[in-house]
Amino acid sequence: EIVLTQSPGTLSLSPGERATLSCRASQSVSNNYLAWYQQKPGQAPRLLIYTASHRATGIPDRFSGSGSGTDFTLTISRLEPEDFAVYSCQQYGDLPRTFGQGTKVEMK
Amino acid sequence: EVQLVQSGGVVVQPGGSLRLSCAASGFTFDDYSMHWVRLVPGKGLEWVSLISWDGDDAYYIESVKGRFTISRDNSKNSLYLQMNSLRTEDTAVYYCVKDTSGGYYGLDVWGQGTTVTVSS
Repeated sequence: EIVLTQSPGTLSLSPGERATLSCRASQSVSNNYLAWYQQKPGQAPRLLIYTASHRATGIPDRFSGSGSGTDFTLTISRLEPEDFAVYSCQQYGDLPRTFGQGTKVEMK
Repeated sequence: EVQLVQSGGVVVQPGGSLRLSCAASGFTFDDYSMHWVRLVPGKGLEWVSLISWDGDDAYYIESVKGRFTISRDNSKNSLYLQMNSLRTEDTAVYYCVKDTSGGYYGLDVWGQGTTVTVSS
């Protein structure tokens, strides 16, 4: 099983600042099949990024993904008020399709 | 509109059984694999199970193998999760989720979630 470790656990930032979230895999993710999801309280997760760096339909370009192999990053270039949420990475190259434990981006 | 609508939440005793259902609309249901993912309180998202487009192949996380069964009825555009021998650690919000074409592009459509509470 591929274990995904996200850091930091919580990121305290102000609107307009840049957020950098990390996701590290215990072994190489097949074909860089790594996705990022955003989840707000009481809502279902929303797909942001697939295959490490491709934005899903309708996702603003302030969200970007990068990385390969075992190290992946989600960057939010300038935080908008609606971006404060929990972000989770998931690998879907191997079974079981594991998630990281999440990073909470909270308003400072 | 592409939509997944799930059945309502429930409280069940440890050792009990429950069947979750999910009704799909707005897309060709039998073109896609489907998943169940759960949000465990204080622990984050956890992938639970996957079923192929035709129902022939199913996969599970180790902790639910032998207790949970995923199934689908393509004639009714519906996905199910039969949950037996429930444990307190199965308490979570369960999401029905649509895979993308070929499984290459992540999980793109999520149901609203069903709260399952296992408690005596």
